[in-house]
Amino acid sequence: DGGITQSPKYLFRKEGQNVTLSCEQNLNHDAMYWYRQDPGQGLRLIYYSQIVNDFQKGDIAEGYSVSREKKESFPLTVTSAQKNPTAFYLCASSMLRARPNEQFFGPGTRLTVL
Amino acid sequence: DAKTTQPPSMDCAEGRAANLPCNHSTISGNEYVYWYRQIHSQGPQYIIHGLKNNETNEMASLIITEDRKSSTLILPHATLRDTAVYYCIVRVHGNQGGKLIFGQGTELSVKP
Repeated sequence: DGGITQSPKYLFRKEGQNVTLSCEQNLNHDAMYWYRQDPGQGLRLIYYSQIVNDFQKGDIAEGYSVSREKKESFPLTVTSAQKNPTAFYLCASSMLRARPNEQFFGPGTRLTVL
Repeated sequence: DAKTTQPPSMDCAEGRAANLPCNHSTISGNEYVYWYRQIHSQGPQYIIHGLKNNETNEMASLIITEDRKSSTLILPHATLRDTAVYYCIVRVHGNQGGKLIFGQGTELSVKP
């Protein structure tokens, strides 16, 4: 089946540790996105990438890093510099050339920093 | 991208139509209206989009006013599984790499 996978679904880490969240898509989509969601809030954009080896900061990029070495993969690293890392993280992808473009979301990773 | 305003919550009886309003009074001519929904603890799901004409698909109908300053998402026969947060988003295609700006949405509760 085509889609977006995120792993793991739940993740626990100690304060001060870096952690990497996985996002893979087999939809042949050009663009990939990382969003963060806090309880009772909408999604906020962390990073996005339109092509391999290129990515742009979103609205809340501080304390996060990404890479886009393959079209299918867009991992997100939550670094120790992120002050409030506990949140629900969502990955999405879309075809940029489609007009207009629909974003497909993964199931999310819930990160808890203890 | 234009800002949207939605009521924070709504109730609907199962089997009845759910009409979710959205105001986007500052929308510009090349901005589309998108609707997504998010069931608790899941990723958002695309529902429908439109530019100026009314649209219908297997999930819902989208009614956009003639001046495009507001729209209504209609779920014709709401079921308990339609309980979710519904987000109305307006954006230009391709703006900032296609990012979506999510507000707080409308929490729809479908009751038996």
